[in-house]
Amino acid sequence: DAGVIQSPRHEVTEMGQEVTLRCKPISGHNSLFWYRQTMMRGLELLIYFNNNVPIDDSGMPEDRFSAKMPNASFSTLKIQPSEPRDSAVYFCASSLGLVSYEQYFGPGTRLTVT
Amino acid sequence: KNQVEQSPQSLIILEGKNCTLQCNYTVSPFSNLRWYKQDTGRGPVSLTIMTFSENTKSNGRYTATLDADTKQSSLHITASQLSDSASYICVVSEEGGFKTIFGAGTRLFVKA
Repeated sequence: DAGVIQSPRHEVTEMGQEVTLRCKPISGHNSLFWYRQTMMRGLELLIYFNNNVPIDDSGMPEDRFSAKMPNASFSTLKIQPSEPRDSAVYFCASSLGLVSYEQYFGPGTRLTVT
Repeated sequence: KNQVEQSPQSLIILEGKNCTLQCNYTVSPFSNLRWYKQDTGRGPVSLTIMTFSENTKSNGRYTATLDADTKQSSLHITASQLSDSASYICVVSEEGGFKTIFGAGTRLFVKA
């Protein structure tokens, strides 16, 4: 079985550009999570979905960040406009449920904003 | 303020030795505590998940303990291997929602 799939694996963009990160969760999982990881701040939960519905987006740092899950097999995290401080590794994870279920992480997208 | 503190920040041990990593938290109300292993350049991998009523859980050579009264958890690694070299992250979730608080991690180096 394929795990969580993220694309692209690496993204380099200039400040002010729009960036879209993509995630395909494990088939059958109904919960999806977006995380960000930096050396300074460690891992942070940005937003999570249950049955394609956003449940909590309080971790989204600013209005420049938005996330959608149009169907059970696809989610996007968009940053518009991007800034150098957005440089980080962005992980997507999925699980069978929200509470006390194991989360399976994707390989991450390394974003560099110059 | 809800916090998760891990110690030590980093640790070097010889292959075959045991080690114990610590996680202290102030999260309340408590829902569950997770330990993750993260290899360099990869996503975290879940090792254990424990709820309030569980005080020990094992996954191969990894054994996690939880004392909900003192709000402390430990991850014990037995007979370490070179492949255990990684960051180990403790994550605590609040009850009622899915607010998660992440520890800064312990960086473990296993030397031959």
